[in-house]
Amino acid sequence: SAVISQKPSRDICQRGTSLTIQCQVDSQVTMMFWYRQQPGQSLTLIATANQGSEATYESGFVIDKFPISRPNLTFSTLTVSNMSPEDSSIYLCSVPHPLAKNIQYFGAGTRLSVL
Amino acid sequence: GENVEQHPSTLSVQEGDSAVIKCTYSDSASNYFPWYKQELGKRPQLIIDIRSNVGEKKDQRIAVTLNKTAKHFSLHITETQPEDSAVYFCAASIWFGNEKLTFGTGTRLTIIP
Repeated sequence: SAVISQKPSRDICQRGTSLTIQCQVDSQVTMMFWYRQQPGQSLTLIATANQGSEATYESGFVIDKFPISRPNLTFSTLTVSNMSPEDSSIYLCSVPHPLAKNIQYFGAGTRLSVL
Repeated sequence: GENVEQHPSTLSVQEGDSAVIKCTYSDSASNYFPWYKQELGKRPQLIIDIRSNVGEKKDQRIAVTLNKTAKHFSLHITETQPEDSAVYFCAASIWFGNEKLTFGTGTRLTIIP
């Protein structure tokens, strides 16, 4: 499986500010996925990040609130903009297996608390 | 789009007993069904998966069964141990489709020593 490094592991932020979360993979991958896991809830896909093109957002998530960068095949960032307490969640990136893209491996997550 | 329902939301079993978690899906095009285990404060980890060309798959104490006609699949854990305590998520996707996973709502499994 891929080695995925996600930073920061946790942060406490003030409302109205923004936080950028980084996801680094030890191998080149075509797609990277960003999920949100609200407290005690399931994983909800925010967007799919493709290298060289704009991210594809799921219903209910917009680029202005969750801008994503994908500068190369091993790195992506997710920014949570203009945060409110409702954005308090765990944010996780995932990458697919190189030969079986439905199999996904997750980063350790970023636990975000917004005051 | 796909919708995955998962039951029960919480499950407590005595150590050594079996645990069963059930999921149903809505999109008949879905043909890949993984199960993830998430221990407290840890990342979700794939523990077993099944594709729709088989009805059952086993890996030591865990097994997954699939009923394509009824559109449901289940996770079976036998001889449960304390380290099985975690939240389990089922998911569905289309193999060689768009690779997106739709997750169930999760089951918090507690093994009682």
